[in-house]
Amino acid sequence: DSGVTQTPKHLITATGQRVTLRCSPRSGDLSVYWYQQSLDQGLQFLIQYYNGEERAKGNILERFSAQQFPDLHSELNLSSLELGDSALYFCASSVSGRGGTGELFFGEGSRLTVL
Amino acid sequence: GENVEQHPSTLSVQEGDSAVIKCTYSDSASNYFPWYKQELGKRPQLIIDIRSNVGEKKDQRIAVTLNKTAKHFSLHITETQPEDSAVYFCAASKSTSGSRLTFGEGTQLTVNP
Repeated sequence: DSGVTQTPKHLITATGQRVTLRCSPRSGDLSVYWYQQSLDQGLQFLIQYYNGEERAKGNILERFSAQQFPDLHSELNLSSLELGDSALYFCASSVSGRGGTGELFFGEGSRLTVL
Repeated sequence: GENVEQHPSTLSVQEGDSAVIKCTYSDSASNYFPWYKQELGKRPQLIIDIRSNVGEKKDQRIAVTLNKTAKHFSLHITETQPEDSAVYFCAASKSTSGSRLTFGEGTQLTVNP
């Protein structure tokens, strides 16, 4: 158990719909990262938040948005879903700052299927 | 931004043989290079990492080497076992204090009994 909690574990929805994926980082971790892993693909970086603020943005589509709340949990919102958005979405957290080792702790992922 | 290339994409070895996976990176400012293992249906987990002030690091059957001049690093697994079968990802970042990790495309390692 990494200490990172993601919900839901599985989600099936239709094209054009909107979904929200939720992530609770490890206790004390200030950074939250979102990665997308399509079938047989690598880990594509979407976005990073640090203590409530956006820190880095990767190849995140305009239809996608995210935020980190004061309690440090994060949500990834995916809208106007397309078939190609079907993927495993990982959240990861890290300590960041002084004392950080650089290690990312991944959640179990949320598997999104768009039909 | 950073670009990490990983080779090979698939690797099949016999149990007991060694396996080597290689990665190159593009950003000379990168100084942290971890390797993650992802078993089927599971989350990626860190297995070993190396920082730019070190050329080699070993942990039991796993070792990582880094050549900063050439901007490449490699994972070496000796005496492979069936439970080593997984997808291995290399990654690079500019620091250990919270910079994003850029991952390679992954290597599917299969260890045949």
